[in-house]
Amino acid sequence: QVQLEESGPGLVKPSETLSLTCDVSGGSIIGGDWWNWVRRPPGKGLEWLGEIYHTGTTNYNPSLKSRVTMSVDTSKNQISLSLRSVTAADTGVYYCARRTYATTWTFDYWGRGALVTVSS
Amino acid sequence: IVLTQSPGTLSLSPGERATLSCKASQSISSRYLAWYQLKPGQGPRLLIYGVSIRATGIPDRFSGSGSGTDFTLTISRLEPEDFVLYYCQQYTSSPLTFGGGTKVEIK
Repeated sequence: QVQLEESGPGLVKPSETLSLTCDVSGGSIIGGDWWNWVRRPPGKGLEWLGEIYHTGTTNYNPSLKSRVTMSVDTSKNQISLSLRSVTAADTGVYYCARRTYATTWTFDYWGRGALVTVSS
Repeated sequence: IVLTQSPGTLSLSPGERATLSCKASQSISSRYLAWYQLKPGQGPRLLIYGVSIRATGIPDRFSGSGSGTDFTLTISRLEPEDFVLYYCQQYTSSPLTFGGGTKVEIK
């Protein structure tokens, strides 16, 4: 059973960088899957931020492309998210999720999410 | 692709049938439409993919249907644990997008 767990600071100041890590267990990050970040602002729907393959190839949401960077550490079975120049609009729960061919490229495993608040 | 879910909130009683709608701003090809359930304090759970295929371990009271731009999630008989949030998602084109969600609440 694949498990994902997000971690990182729960509070980030405006204009600073939000950094989160997702630890993957129960399976290798090296394979045919894509590793994604999705967020849910309070009272709003889900927003896809982007994804990374174990080779480091990325696809980002154009709405955030200039501020987001994703990376992968295969030795730690871990992916990371950096979001620069944050504002209050970046407050929300951040999830990591696996997108897999087995379910025709949907998200089959998710973490429980990490709440990040942007406030001074 | 913009996904519009309706209603925003659905008020029903346990044992009743729930019908949730998801309309796309353009046709979703290759049947790349999924549904997720979101409970407080948990990550989303994949219910349906490929429009109508139930994910592993999902009870058969959950079913998906539709084509083109109109899709439906049906819960045939609501159980107490089903009164939570539901999202549709398209993965036919990038950026991947989700609907705004439907909350199923106890009447």
